[in-house]
Amino acid sequence: GAVVSQHPSRVICKSGTSVKIECRSLDFQATTMFWYRQFPKQSLMLMATSNEGSKATYEQGVEKDKFLINHASLTLSTLTVTSAHPEDSSFYICSAPGREGFYNEQFFGPGTRLTVL
Amino acid sequence: GQQLNQSPQSMFIQEGEDVSMNCTSSSIFNTWLWYKQDPGEGPVLLIALYKAGELTSNGRLTAQFGITRKDSFLNISASIPSDVGIYFCAGRNNDMRFGAGTRLTVKP
Repeated sequence: GAVVSQHPSRVICKSGTSVKIECRSLDFQATTMFWYRQFPKQSLMLMATSNEGSKATYEQGVEKDKFLINHASLTLSTLTVTSAHPEDSSFYICSAPGREGFYNEQFFGPGTRLTVL
Repeated sequence: GQQLNQSPQSMFIQEGEDVSMNCTSSSIFNTWLWYKQDPGEGPVLLIALYKAGELTSNGRLTAQFGITRKDSFLNISASIPSDVGIYFCAGRNNDMRFGAGTRLTVKP
């Protein structure tokens, strides 16, 4: 299947700092990528849809000014958690459709574990 | 919203046993998917179902798309230790919604 990578895999930061997480599609182009967060022992919750060359679409309750998404190229989307606080500590996962326009099959990155002290 | 109810929440089984888990929803979905997630990693797609009534297999895994389009089940036959993990169902219309997951433990 298609390969999606994330960087970093783990990050620990101080409260108030900003953290950038990268999501890359390694062997295919993705005009759309999705960002999820997952709390321990819970399911994945969709945060936003990242659209190449345009603004991201955020789910209800997700602060767009806090979770900045940039999809500058067909293989890279970034999620920046601004002014992070301990409650932002979570597992952040991105996904992309393996085939352009075929959104039924999403391939997920390995995730980024964010810990805010 | 489109909520998925996945059951059971957890299962403890002996190696070699068969496993069954299911997902139901009050809403109709156009696609049902089943994923497995190992600790600290992203979910991996196991099976995708596109038509009501569809029954699809992937090795020891079999999944079905319910005729009402509001449910799906996943069966694992002859479980082995590496089947351990969390299994998520997902329903898709315009976006994808996930069930809460079934945590599977297999005792050798």
